[in-house]
Amino acid sequence: EVQLLESGGGLVQPGESLRLSCAASGFTFSSYALNWVRQAPGRGLEWVSGISGSGGSTHYADSVKGRFTISRDNSKNTLYLQLNTLRAEDTAVYYCAKGSTSWYDNWFDPWGQGTLVTVSS
Amino acid sequence: EIVMTQSPATLSVSPGERATLSCRASQSVSSNLAWYQQKPGQAPRLFIYGASTRATGIPARFSGSGSGTEFTLTISSLQSEDFAVYYCQQYDSWPYTFGQGTKLEIK
Repeated sequence: EVQLLESGGGLVQPGESLRLSCAASGFTFSSYALNWVRQAPGRGLEWVSGISGSGGSTHYADSVKGRFTISRDNSKNTLYLQLNTLRAEDTAVYYCAKGSTSWYDNWFDPWGQGTLVTVSS
Repeated sequence: EIVMTQSPATLSVSPGERATLSCRASQSVSSNLAWYQQKPGQAPRLFIYGASTRATGIPARFSGSGSGTEFTLTISSLQSEDFAVYYCQQYDSWPYTFGQGTKLEIK
């Protein structure tokens, strides 16, 4: 069974940093792209970032480009998201989601249970 | 960026009836379209990919159709567990984008 378990969320002040982790199991980790998707309280889903199975390719939403960095450690079966210069509008539940392929044309299945990031002074 | 627009925002339907949810893309996404269901306090769950292929374990009462810019999710006979929010997502080009969601509520 594929499992994704996010951690690292919490309450931070504007301008601070945070690193999220997503521990994966139940599949050949390096063979699949992984993604971060967030959901602000009471709002819809927003794709944040994706990384290829090898880790050699990444993409970001314009809203986080230059502030967030996605990475993965294929030896530890773990996905990361480094969040820098956090803003109040980054407050959301952050989900990691497994892609269906190593990079292109991939839908998301399954999703982790999410970790809450709150940015507030 | 491809904009995904879902309609209606809220759909009120009685159990046992048929529900039709729509999703429109601002430019062609071919068949690279997925549908997800989300219930309160839960993570989204994949229901449909490739515009029309049901994910593992999804009942046959759910069907997806469309290609290019117009897509539909149909639930043939609503069960109590189907009332939730449904999101469409295009994965044809980066950045991947979601629709704003359709809330399916009990009438």
